[in-house]
Amino acid sequence: NAGVTQTPKFQVLKTGQSMTLQCAQDMNHEYMSWYRQDPGMGLRLIHYSVGAGITDQGEVPNGYNVSRSTTEDFPLRLLSAAPSQTSVYFCASKKTGYFPRETQYFGPGTRLLVL
Amino acid sequence: AQTVTQSQPEMSVQEAETVTLSCTYDTSESNYYLFWYKQPPSRQMILVIRQEAYKQQNATENRFSVNFQKAAKSFSLKISDSQLGDTAMYFCAFMNAGGTSYGKLTFGQGTILTVHP
Repeated sequence: NAGVTQTPKFQVLKTGQSMTLQCAQDMNHEYMSWYRQDPGMGLRLIHYSVGAGITDQGEVPNGYNVSRSTTEDFPLRLLSAAPSQTSVYFCASKKTGYFPRETQYFGPGTRLLVL
Repeated sequence: AQTVTQSQPEMSVQEAETVTLSCTYDTSESNYYLFWYKQPPSRQMILVIRQEAYKQQNATENRFSVNFQKAAKSFSLKISDSQLGDTAMYFCAFMNAGGTSYGKLTFGQGTILTVHP
């Protein structure tokens, strides 16, 4: 299993540009989510999905869109990048169900710089 | 809403010694899970240890153990026989067992741990 994969690893954008951060998992996990990590603030939840076709907002959803057309993929879209979106982005996935299925597995992260 | 607080921005320890990282949380829920994640310079998030709130017994994973005090809402991580490879940022995280917050992790601010030779 490759686990959770993310592409690209690093990206530089100009203000106003759009892009999609890719996330894929091969563990047949129902639950997938996106977090952003900023200095001194830990990780914060952007959007999440409990299964194909179902998405919902997390703590900091503004400026981001998501969709979940398959179990494996959960892309994160920035429609018009802003400097405030400079961050490290993590995708995570887990099985649904009772503990110990509650462990979330994280991808390697995407570092995004918006100029 | 839940909050997680790590009051130690940075800690240091000598190799082979023991160090304890602190974490407190606030919730009105009774059933939840707690985690410690390690983030080395590679940025990969690595699960260190996890604890179910309904279990009184503290979780242990090799050199890592927790002191879970549910009434005090405290969840500290003890690292014994510290190794240079333990140098990393450590995050405490909370997750509800059900309801509308199901699956959502709430993280603390992190503690940078440096192990000195």
